[in-house]
Amino acid sequence: ETGVTQSPTHLIKTRGQQVTLRCSSQSGHNTVSWYQQALGQGPQFIFQYYREEENGRGNFPPRFSGLQFPNYSSELNVNALELDDSALYLCASSLPGTGANEQFFGPGTRLTVL
Amino acid sequence: AQSVTQLGSHVSVSEGALVLLRCNYSSSVPPYLFWYVQYPNQGLQLLLKYTSAATLVKGINGFEAEFKKSETSFHLTKPSAHMSDAAEYFCAVTNTGNQFYFGTGTSLTVIP
Repeated sequence: ETGVTQSPTHLIKTRGQQVTLRCSSQSGHNTVSWYQQALGQGPQFIFQYYREEENGRGNFPPRFSGLQFPNYSSELNVNALELDDSALYLCASSLPGTGANEQFFGPGTRLTVL
Repeated sequence: AQSVTQLGSHVSVSEGALVLLRCNYSSSVPPYLFWYVQYPNQGLQLLLKYTSAATLVKGINGFEAEFKKSETSFHLTKPSAHMSDAAEYFCAVTNTGNQFYFGTGTSLTVIP
């Protein structure tokens, strides 16, 4: 069974640029969530996708957007990068349904904005 | 609204001593509660979860947590700390599964 994978592992961008981060969910999981984890902080929920539709969104501006594909892989896109976007971006997959289903996390993508 | 508060951003224990990491939650409906561990430069790994069955939950690596509704707490314990337990620990809450709220984390140091 393949776990959650993310690419790239590290990324350096400059302010104002755009970035796309990718995530492959664990086999059999059709729900993907994205989190931003700033240094020394807990993960902050960005949004969740279920069957290619957004299924919940945290307090992030519209320049954070996402996609989920028919194979349940997902992308996180961030436009007009700001210095404060520097963080570890985590993807988590899960089975749908109740909150009893835990989320399985990938290793993350470390984004640095200069 | 839901949230979790982790008291103590840093906890140090001696090897072999009791580990106690505190988590208090806020939720208007019965919550699902989780403890995750994060090692440096890695993602989060589930330690245990509370899903309204038994209030005392046993997890991996000898960890357990007790759900106390009257205290709105879900503290994580381990009877005897091991050097390999040194990591960052996060408590999380959800009630629907479509949005998880994490605490700010507790960094555990184990002193030999």
